[in-house]
Amino acid sequence: EIVLTQSPGTLSLSPGERATLSCRASESVSSSYLAWYQQKPGQAPRLLIYGASSRATGIPDRFSGSGSGTDFTLTISRLEPEDFVLYYCQQYGSSRGTFGQGTRVEIK
Amino acid sequence: QVQLVQSGAEVKKPGASVKVSCKASGYTFTSYSMHWVRQAPGQGLEWMGVVNPSGGTTTYAQELQGRVTMTRDTSTTTVYMELNSLRSEDTAVYYCARGRIGYSSSWYVYWGQGTLVTVSS
Repeated sequence: EIVLTQSPGTLSLSPGERATLSCRASESVSSSYLAWYQQKPGQAPRLLIYGASSRATGIPDRFSGSGSGTDFTLTISRLEPEDFVLYYCQQYGSSRGTFGQGTRVEIK
Repeated sequence: QVQLVQSGAEVKKPGASVKVSCKASGYTFTSYSMHWVRQAPGQGLEWMGVVNPSGGTTTYAQELQGRVTMTRDTSTTTVYMELNSLRSEDTAVYYCARGRIGYSSSWYVYWGQGTLVTVSS
């Protein structure tokens, strides 16, 4: 099973700042099959990025994904008030998909 | 539009079983797999398994093998997840999520609204 480790656990920033979230895999993720989700309280996760760098339909371009192999990054170029929530990475390159433990982005 | 509508919250005693449904609409039911993902209170996301609506084949997370059963009813475009021998650790929100056909893992664009299952004596 591929283990995903997200860092930091909590990111404290101000609106308008840039956020950089990391996701590291215990082994190489096949074909960059890495996704990012945003989760607001009481809601199902929302797909932001798939294939490591492809934005899902309707996702603002301030969200971008990069990386390959074992190291992946989600970048939010300028934080909006609604971006201060929880983010998860997920790999789906192996026979069993796994999720990271999450990064919370909070207002500083 | 694609919709996944799940059944309502459940409260069960330890040792009991629960069956959660997920009704799909807005797309060809047999063209996509259906996965189940759960989230314990304040915790992360855990993949439970997948059912292929076309043939009914399933793949389950190893730690749930023997306790979980996923089925589908093509006549009503509904998938079901049944979990037996419930323990307090099974208290969680259970989500269905549409995935790609022919693979046991996938990214998820569409999710159900979630079903809270509480296990308590």
